[in-house]
Amino acid sequence: EAAVTQSPRNKVAVTGGKVTLSCNQTNNHNNMYWYRQDTGHGLRLIHYSYGAGSTEKGDIPDGYKASRPSQENFSLILELATPSQTSVYFCASGEDWGLQDTQYFGPGTRLLVL
Amino acid sequence: QQKVQQSPESLTVSEGAMASLNCTFSDGTSDNFRWYRQHSGKGLEVLVSIFSDGEKEEGRFTAHLNRASLHVSLHIREPQPSDSAVYLCAMSRPNYNVLYFGSGTKLTVEP
Repeated sequence: EAAVTQSPRNKVAVTGGKVTLSCNQTNNHNNMYWYRQDTGHGLRLIHYSYGAGSTEKGDIPDGYKASRPSQENFSLILELATPSQTSVYFCASGEDWGLQDTQYFGPGTRLLVL
Repeated sequence: QQKVQQSPESLTVSEGAMASLNCTFSDGTSDNFRWYRQHSGKGLEVLVSIFSDGEKEEGRFTAHLNRASLHVSLHIREPQPSDSAVYLCAMSRPNYNVLYFGSGTKLTVEP
C-alpha cells in the first residue's frame, strides 16, 4: 500500500505570512494531488501534478502555488496566508491514469491562519 | 464541474444492523467511483472501487452502481463500533484522473 506522509501535521500561521506544506510519497507514483477539506464541502482539489516538474491547477487554485521538485515530493505554498485558508489539507498520490488507479491519502495537515 | 451529493448527512445504527449510505452525481459520463472512510483526525482509507453498473463487494462493504439513475450506494454488513467514521464517495470522468468528493456521511455505530 502507498505510503504518503505530510509535514507539518499542525501549523499556526499569521495573516500575510508564507506557509509551505510538504508531502512525500515512497511508492514511485507519478501523480500527486493537494486537497483541502472544509465542513460542508468535502474535499476540493487545489493543485495536482503528473510528475516531477509539472503542476496543474485544480478546482480552487487561487491563493496557492504548488511545486513538484522530484517524483517523491510535492509542496503546497501559501505566499500570503489568509484566515479563509484555515482548513485541513490532504496530499494524495496515485499511479498513471487507468480504471484501476486509486489515490492514496496522507494523514492531513491542520492549518490555522490567525 | 461534477456535483456529488451524499445522504444522509449523519446515520446512527446499532451494532450488527445493516448500514446504507447513498451518493448521487450530476455527470452521467463518470466511470470511476470510490468509497473512502475517514476516522476522526485521520486520512482517507479506500474501501471499495466500482467501475461498471452492478455490485462490487470488498469484505463487509458492498457498493452498488446504477449510472442510469446517477446513483451509487454503500452497504456495510454487520457494522462494528470501529466502523464509526465519516464515509466519502468520490468519482471521476473518463481519462481525467481527478476525484470529485461528496461532503460525507457521518456514521455512528452504537454497541
